Amino acid sequence: GAVVSQHPSWVICKSGTSVKIECRSLDFQATTMFWYRQFPKQSLMLMATSNEGSKATYEQGVEKDKFLINHASLTLSTLTVTSAHPEDSSFYICSARVAQTGLGSPLHFGNGTRLTVT
Amino acid sequence: RKEVEQDPGPFNVPEGATVAFNCTYSNSASQSFFWYRQDCRKEPKLLMSVYSSGNEDGRFTAQLNRASQYISLLIRDSKLSDSATYLCVVSLSGTYKYIFGTGTRLKVLA
Repeated sequence: GAVVSQHPSWVICKSGTSVKIECRSLDFQATTMFWYRQFPKQSLMLMATSNEGSKATYEQGVEKDKFLINHASLTLSTLTVTSAHPEDSSFYICSARVAQTGLGSPLHFGNGTRLTVT
Repeated sequence: RKEVEQDPGPFNVPEGATVAFNCTYSNSASQSFFWYRQDCRKEPKLLMSVYSSGNEDGRFTAQLNRASQYISLLIRDSKLSDSATYLCVVSLSGTYKYIFGTGTRLKVLA
């Protein structure tokens, strides 16, 4: 149980284009999903917290107009990297916790999206 | 000081060895603790939650020391397949915020 599916697994795009990444909880509902970015040999850095039916909460230094997050349902959150540039190339990972579980329940991660901007 | 600190390693150990990792956290309001495993270019996967009384899952044992604010992971009888980065994750009381350590790399050698 608690499977999170992320799509696409990898994408190569040209500078200036936008890329949309989907994160789905397959067998549970997730009122909250998290988006992380990981550069090579570095730890996961939280970008934003996605809340179903409301605006996402962005971490300091993350541009909300560049990284658009939509959490329209209890099983789907999307991250759109707008006007991508080479410095946006990274490994993007979503995670979710099962709704109705208490504080302290573990996160379940999607398989990640490797974005390369040329 | 980082909120969650880990020795980055790498720890190079022979097959069959016992290896232990520590992780320290700075926020005393930390409530829940986890160990995740991350393979190269893959997503993290939950290895085990860490309970106050300590817990064991096969060859893996996790311990929590709230007074000293650290958690540990012990791996017995290391296998080649244990080679990975082990991430310490802490969640804060009253929030859904999870803080990740930078990870400790383990290489089990044949």
